[in-house]
Amino acid sequence: NAGVTQTPKFQVLKTGQSMTLQCAQDMNHEYMSWYRQDPGMGLRLIHYSVGAGITDQGEVPNGYNVSRSTTEDFPLRLLSAAPSQTSVYFCASSQTGSRNEQFFGPGTRLTVL
Amino acid sequence: AQKVTQAQTEISVVEKEDVTLDCVYETRDTTYYLFWYKQPPSGELVFLIRRNSFDEQNEISGRYSWNFQKSTSSFNFTITASQVVDSAVYFCALSEAGNSGGGADGLTFGKGTHLIIQP
Repeated sequence: NAGVTQTPKFQVLKTGQSMTLQCAQDMNHEYMSWYRQDPGMGLRLIHYSVGAGITDQGEVPNGYNVSRSTTEDFPLRLLSAAPSQTSVYFCASSQTGSRNEQFFGPGTRLTVL
Repeated sequence: AQKVTQAQTEISVVEKEDVTLDCVYETRDTTYYLFWYKQPPSGELVFLIRRNSFDEQNEISGRYSWNFQKSTSSFNFTITASQVVDSAVYFCALSEAGNSGGGADGLTFGKGTHLIIQP
């Protein structure tokens, strides 16, 4: 099992550009989520999904879109990147919700100039 | 709303010393789950422990031990005989699985404690 994979590992964008961060898991987990990690802030929940076709907002959803067309994939879209979105992004999955151990991907380091 | 406080931003100790990382949480739910994660310098997040609100037994795993006290809303983590490989950022996190407040189903993280073990 590859676990949770994220691509790309690093990305530099200019303000206003759009991009999609990819996340995939091969553990047949129903629950997937996205967090951002900023220095001194811990991790904060952006969006989550409890199953294919179902998504919901977390603590800091503004500027991000998600969709969940399959159980395996949970992409995060930045429609118009801003410098405030410079961060490390982690995708996570678990069997059923945040009450279970979360399996985290290796992270994507995004810089918006 | 739920909250996790890790008041120690950075701790530095000499190898072989014992060290305790503090975690204090706030929640209105009676059913909740607490976690500790380790983030070594390589950046990945490593799961250490999960504890539900109905199980106040302390847990020991090798040099690691956890003290869960509902009376003080604390879930502290102790490393005995620390080693250089323990150097990392440690996060405490909370899940309000009962979700009685209608909030998001996700982890609330503390800001982390950067642990430095000097040889």
